[in-house]
Amino acid sequence: QVQLQQSGPGLVKPSQTLSLTCAISGDSVSSNSAAWNWIRQSPSRGLEWLGRTYYRSNWYNDYAESVKSRITVKPDTSRNQFSLQLNSVTPEDTAVYYCARGGHEFDFWGQGTLVTVSS
Amino acid sequence: EIVLTQSPGTLSLSPGERATLSCRTSQSVNSIYLAWYQQKPGQAPRLLIYGASSRATGIPDRFSGSGSGTDFTLTVSRLEPEDFAVYYCQLYGSSPPWTFGQGTKVENK
Repeated sequence: QVQLQQSGPGLVKPSQTLSLTCAISGDSVSSNSAAWNWIRQSPSRGLEWLGRTYYRSNWYNDYAESVKSRITVKPDTSRNQFSLQLNSVTPEDTAVYYCARGGHEFDFWGQGTLVTVSS
Repeated sequence: EIVLTQSPGTLSLSPGERATLSCRTSQSVNSIYLAWYQQKPGQAPRLLIYGASSRATGIPDRFSGSGSGTDFTLTVSRLEPEDFAVYYCQLYGSSPPWTFGQGTKVENK
């Protein structure tokens, strides 16, 4: 059974960088058939897919246009995990952040992390 | 970007009743790219249906999905107490972005 365990701070100051990690068990971040995603949820924006990383002989990333200039999703093969970095955050980035597995539909999710952007 | 519109916003039903939830897309889409999720308070979404009509692993057969083109439906044949939740549709294609509907809340009347 695949399990995703999220970690990272719940409070970030405006203009700083939001950083979260998702540890994978029961699968590999280097899998040739999976993709590893970050999704957030807020009352104002609903569920919003942010970006993904995946391995198909090389590493690839895709990002949502809304955050493309500020986001990095990176694999960490030594720890079998992947991370999210979102730069220059504002209060509008306040949301519950989820990691999830899936190339199209998302079949396994992390537990969610409420990240509040506030000074 | 294709927009997903779910209706109704809230569905008030009793256990044992049938729930019919709608998801409409702003353009015709390939039905293999439509998924449904259930979300309960404080939990992550749970995949119910993918490819418009295929149940995910472990999902009871009272959940079914159908539709094509621009109109898709999630049906819960007989509501159990644990089925009262918010339901989301999601569209995915051959490439990102992946988009979600705004959700339908199924509440216990």
